[in-house]
Amino acid sequence: NAGVMQNPRHLVRRRGQEARLRCSPMKGHSHVYWYRQLPEEGLKFMVYLQKENIIDESGMPKERFSAEFPKEGPSILRIQQVVRGDSAAYFCASSPRPGTGGDTQYFGPGTRLTVL
Amino acid sequence: KQEVTQIPAALSVPEGENLVLNCSFTDSAIYNLQWFRQDPGKGLTSLLLIQSSQREQTSGRLNASLDKSSGRSTLYIAASQPGDSATYLCAVDRGSTLGRLYFGRGTQLTVWP
Repeated sequence: NAGVMQNPRHLVRRRGQEARLRCSPMKGHSHVYWYRQLPEEGLKFMVYLQKENIIDESGMPKERFSAEFPKEGPSILRIQQVVRGDSAAYFCASSPRPGTGGDTQYFGPGTRLTVL
Repeated sequence: KQEVTQIPAALSVPEGENLVLNCSFTDSAIYNLQWFRQDPGKGLTSLLLIQSSQREQTSGRLNASLDKSSGRSTLYIAASQPGDSATYLCAVDRGSTLGRLYFGRGTQLTVWP
């Protein structure tokens, strides 16, 4: 059973371009969480999705950021018109049920975004 | 608002030492607490998960304790090895926020031979 997969592992964009980060959860997991780790900071929650639904996006910046988890295919975190402050590691985690079930979340290796 | 603090930020010890990493959280109404390991350039690996009703969990040389009332957890690593070198993260699940985890900034551990 493959773990959580994220691609690309490294992404370089120039200011103003778009970044698309993909996350394939573990098989059988329908709950996906995105976190961002800025340099020298801890991981911060961004968004929680189930298939075709955004459950909690309270950690997402109000502008330029969006996320989806379609019925088929990976979850996508999209950042439009990137700025240097978006440079960070973006981690995806999946779970077979909501976190209140007490299960750990399984994390992917992350996508390291660098904005030039 | 839940805030998680980890002390120390960095720790360097010789191989074989027993060591303690500390985690504190401001809101004691938690569902569970987890300790993760993060290796450079890699994702997070869950080490131990303690439910709010539990006092401790053990796995091999690792032992994690939880004192919910005082808002503290410790991760004890026995007989440290160079392979233990990594960043250790503490994360809290409040239960009321659908699995959203609140992370500390981590303790960067270096074990030298």
